[in-house]
Amino acid sequence: KAGVTQTPRYLIKTRGQQVTLSCSPISGHRSVSWYQQTPGQGLQFLFEYFSETQRNKGNFPGRFSGRQFSNSRSEMNVSTLELGDSALYLCASREGLNEQFFGPGTRLTVL
Amino acid sequence: SQKIEQNSEALNIQEGKTATLTCNYTNYSPAYLQWYRQDPGRGPVFLLLIRENEKEKRKERLKVTFDTTLKQSLFHITASQPADSATYLCALDSNYQLIWGAGTKLIIKP
Repeated sequence: KAGVTQTPRYLIKTRGQQVTLSCSPISGHRSVSWYQQTPGQGLQFLFEYFSETQRNKGNFPGRFSGRQFSNSRSEMNVSTLELGDSALYLCASREGLNEQFFGPGTRLTVL
Repeated sequence: SQKIEQNSEALNIQEGKTATLTCNYTNYSPAYLQWYRQDPGRGPVFLLLIRENEKEKRKERLKVTFDTTLKQSLFHITASQPADSATYLCALDSNYQLIWGAGTKLIIKP
C-alpha cells in the first residue's frame, strides 16, 4: 500500500493570507488526524476526522479548520495567517485504534 | 489535569550500551500505549504498541514495559548504535485521540 501523502511539501505565505493543505491517507484508513509541530515542540493536535465527521478537536483558534471527503482524503485550512503559524504540519491516518501512519509533512513558512 | 511526561533533556548514551527512556502519565487509564521515533523534519514512525494487560513487548533490539500501577512506560534500546539517535515519542489513546508526550532526544555517541 502507498503511504500517507501530503501536498504541498513546502509553502511560503505572507501574513493575512490563507492556505490549504492536503492529505491522502493510506487506502482503507478512515481516520485522519492533523498536527502542528514547531521547533523544539511536541505534536500539537489540531483535529481528527473519521468518515467525513470531525471526531476530535484540539485547542486551536477557529482560523484552523478542516474537512474530510468521502474518499477519506482530508484538507486543512488556515485563514488570516500569522507569523506564529509557521510550522511543520503533519497528517496521520490509522485504521481503528491501531498505530498512526504519518505523512512527510508540509513545511509552512509565514513571512 | 491530564498529562503525559517524557524526559525533556537529551539523553546521551555510549554506543553499545542500553538506552532507557521514560514516559509517565497522570489521570489517564489508557488501554494501550505507543512509542514512535521521529527524525528532524520528518513525521514520526511507529515502533511498538503495548496493551494494558501486557507487561512487556519486544521487537529486535527494542523493549517496552507498561506498568499501569505506576502509570509509567519504559522504552529500552539494547546494543545502541549512532543510527538510533532521534527523538522518541510516547503516546496514549484517550477517547479516539492520541495524546502525545513532548519526546526525548536520544544521542548515541560512537
